[in-house]
Amino acid sequence: SAVISQKPSRDICQRGTSLTIQCQVDSQVTMMFWYRQQPGQSLTLIATANQGSEATYESGFVIDKFPISRPNLTFSTLTVSNMSPEDSSIYLCSVDETQYFGPGTRLLVL
Amino acid sequence: KQEVTQIPAALSVPEGENLVLNCSFTDSAIYNLQWFRQDPGKGLTSLLLIQSSQREQTSGRLNASLDKSSGRSTLYIAASQPGDSATYLCAALYSGGGADGLTFGKGTHLIIQP
Repeated sequence: SAVISQKPSRDICQRGTSLTIQCQVDSQVTMMFWYRQQPGQSLTLIATANQGSEATYESGFVIDKFPISRPNLTFSTLTVSNMSPEDSSIYLCSVDETQYFGPGTRLLVL
Repeated sequence: KQEVTQIPAALSVPEGENLVLNCSFTDSAIYNLQWFRQDPGKGLTSLLLIQSSQREQTSGRLNASLDKSSGRSTLYIAASQPGDSATYLCAALYSGGGADGLTFGKGTHLIIQP
């Protein structure tokens, strides 16, 4: 099973700023996914991070707001840009078909 | 649009009881279905994964069933314990390559009373 770590584990940010979340896996994986869990809601897929090509975004999510990097097969970053209080959520990364999940990043935007 | 629904949204039972959590999905063309556990402040832990060709999976006191034709899955927890208190999420995978990620239900918040 893959071991996934995320940084930071939590953060409090001011509106209008940006935060980059890191996801590190202890083994090479083909697919990495980024999810958002807003308060009281379920997880929603933001995008699939593809190594060597642009991320694939779900409906309602755009690259300008959530730019993603995938420089290699063990690492990805998600940036939440120009944040507003509505971006306050838990952001989780997961890998491959079996969907191992990282511990999540709790973001509060004031 | 593929949707996953979980009932009930919340459940509180005394310790020792057996209980059933329900999950329904609108599109029966799933590749697999997973049950996860989410503890406050923590990520998701995969409990059971049922492939579309399977009817059920068991792990310890947990048993998950899958009925594709009716679009339903259940998670059965036997002899519940206070440590079982958590949010349980049901999620469907709709593509074999996993390229589309998982579609999650909103979860059942379970409290086991000591």
